[in-house]
Amino acid sequence: KAGVTQTPRYLIKTRGQQVTLSCSPISGHRSVSWYQQTPGQGLQFLFEYFSETQRNKGNFPGRFSGRQFSNSRSEMNVSTLELGDSALYLCASSLDGGQYEQYFGPGTRLTVT
Amino acid sequence: AQSVTQLGSHVSVSEGALVLLRCNYSSSVPPYLFWYVQYPNQGLQLLLKYTTGATLVKGINGFEAEFKKSETSFHLTKPSAHMSDAAEYFCAVSKAAGNKLTFGGGTRVLVKP
Repeated sequence: KAGVTQTPRYLIKTRGQQVTLSCSPISGHRSVSWYQQTPGQGLQFLFEYFSETQRNKGNFPGRFSGRQFSNSRSEMNVSTLELGDSALYLCASSLDGGQYEQYFGPGTRLTVT
Repeated sequence: AQSVTQLGSHVSVSEGALVLLRCNYSSSVPPYLFWYVQYPNQGLQLLLKYTTGATLVKGINGFEAEFKKSETSFHLTKPSAHMSDAAEYFCAVSKAAGNKLTFGGGTRVLVKP
């Protein structure tokens, strides 16, 4: 079974630009979650999508948004990039329910200059 | 709100020695508990999880963890460290509904020959 894939793996953007990251979950997984990882703040939950609906949202500004398609693939978008948005963005997919483990992709490393 | 505390951001052990990583959580209800490992430039990989039943949980690569409700702890151990155990380890909790993981700050393990 193929794992979670994320594209692109690396990205360099300039302040003020916007960026879209993509995540393809494991086949059969309808839940996709996004996390931001930085040295200062650690791993923080951004949002979760289930069956094309945002079900949970973390404490991030509205510049961070996402969506999920009917095939469960998900995208997240960050608008008006700031230097502090430089991070590793991890996508995870799982079956529905907190007792199920989340399977993580390799992440997208975003650098904002 | 849930929170997770990992004692010690860095741990150094000798090859063959015991690995002990500490995790304490705060939750109003018993959560689901996870340990993940992250190798450089990679996503997170599940080591083990506790959902219900036996409180001593065995995972991959010789790791195990014990859920102690009275101490709100879920410490991770491995009897004999191997060089390949050098990585960062994250404790995480989730609630029954939804798939939001709350992570601890992580513990980076260095294994000395």
